Amino acid sequence: DQQVKQNSPSLSVQEGRISILNCDYTNSMFDYFLWYKKYPAEGPTFLISISSIKDKNEDGRFTVFLNKSAKHLSLHIVPSQPGDSAVYFCAAGGTALIFGKGTTLSVSS
Amino acid sequence: GAGVSQSPSNKVTEKGKDVELRCDPISGHTALYWYRQSLGQGLEFLIYFQGNSAPDKSGLPSDRFSAERTGGSVSTLTIQRTQQEDSAVYLCASSLVAGLNTGELFFGEGSRLTVL
Repeated sequence: DQQVKQNSPSLSVQEGRISILNCDYTNSMFDYFLWYKKYPAEGPTFLISISSIKDKNEDGRFTVFLNKSAKHLSLHIVPSQPGDSAVYFCAAGGTALIFGKGTTLSVSS
Repeated sequence: GAGVSQSPSNKVTEKGKDVELRCDPISGHTALYWYRQSLGQGLEFLIYFQGNSAPDKSGLPSDRFSAERTGGSVSTLTIQRTQQEDSAVYLCASSLVAGLNTGELFFGEGSRLTVL
C-alpha cells in the first residue's frame, strides 16, 4: 500500500507557464515533506521542503503548498523553464523518507 | 569527498551470485540511507543507519539483503544469491543526522545492478 502517491506519471508545460505537481499521502503521522528533482543517470537532489506546521513555503520560482486536512501537497513552478524538465519526487516522513513514484515534467520552449 | 560516492556505478551479475555495493557518505554526516529504484517505480526505502547502528531495517525485501556500516562512515549493501527482480538502481543518501526536519538527504548517483 503506497503511503505517498503521485498520480500523474507525466506533465507537459510550455516555457513561461506554471507547472503544478501533485502528491497525496495517507499517513497522518508524517511531519515533514520534501520535493526532489532527478535528472537521468544522476541521484535525486533536494528542491524544497515544508514542515507539517506550515501550509506554504516559497523559494524563488518554487512554492510548496501543504493541505493537511486533505493530506495533499503540491509543488508550483513559475515560470517554468526548459531546464526544469526532470522527474520530480514527492517525499514524506519522519526519520526515513517515503517517496512517491515520481512525475516526469517536460517543459517545452 | 564533496558528495556521496557510490561504487560500482554499474554491475552486471549472473543470477545466484552475491554482490556488494558500497557507499561513502559526505564527511561528517551521521545518518546514511539505502534506497532502490526499480524500473518504473519510485524510490523504495531499504534501511537507514544512525552512526553504525540500523534502527530501521524494515525496508529490506528479504533475508538475502543485508547492510553494515563501520566507523560511522562507509556502508556496504550485500545481496546474496541475486535474483532477476533485484535488478534496480541502488541509491545511497546521507544527512547530518537522522530526523528529516533537520535537513534534506544528499544522494549519490546510484549503483545500477543488472541480474541476468
